[in-house]
Amino acid sequence: GAGVSQSPSNKVTEKGKDVELRCDPISGHTALYWYRQSLGQGLEFLIYFQGNSAPDKSGLPSDRFSAERTGGSVSTLTIQRTQQEDSAVYLCASSLEASGFEQFFGPGTRLTVL
Amino acid sequence: AQSVTQLGSHVSVSEGALVLLRCNYSSSVPPYLFWYVQYPNQGLQLLLKYTSAATLVKGINGFEAEFKKSETSFHLTKPSAHMSDAAEYFCAVSEGSNYQLIWGAGTKLIIKP
Repeated sequence: GAGVSQSPSNKVTEKGKDVELRCDPISGHTALYWYRQSLGQGLEFLIYFQGNSAPDKSGLPSDRFSAERTGGSVSTLTIQRTQQEDSAVYLCASSLEASGFEQFFGPGTRLTVL
Repeated sequence: AQSVTQLGSHVSVSEGALVLLRCNYSSSVPPYLFWYVQYPNQGLQLLLKYTSAATLVKGINGFEAEFKKSETSFHLTKPSAHMSDAAEYFCAVSEGSNYQLIWGAGTKLIIKP
């Protein structure tokens, strides 16, 4: 596809369950980002992958959060033992140096933890 | 450390009036600057970007922004607001030496009929 895609678009889960959120970046984009946006809030940086370098995990809020990027393409954000405060929209973006680091965003996954 | 400040979490203007959303940044090197828009229940999309070419940048939907190095500002303007402009607007900056963007907190633009 032409843009960044994310799945699922909506996820409702029970407190304590694990969830996996998927991001398919634009083909050829070497950088991939995960953000969290809570209701009415701005963007909270979570993690950033750039090529084969070690990811920047400085934004992950707890050790329940992890992410991986396989083959330099698809990424999965995993939240273990979900809590109600994890409820938010999780946004993925990708970018390419040649485009001036412009980030292209997916539509997001809305996570609701009951 | 770099930072981006958007003055005003909410800005309210009348339909047809001038829109001015303020963004100031701190950066020790010439930056790349971006404005993104987020319509209700949608993802973010790029409005415009400055990448060291012309200081006045024109974007989509009639928006433009001017890079002023002396003021470290990149304010977003539109001459005449339309109801469809109601959205949240985010300013972001990159120094160009890495791929990360530093984001402002966002400004909600409210259009009064």
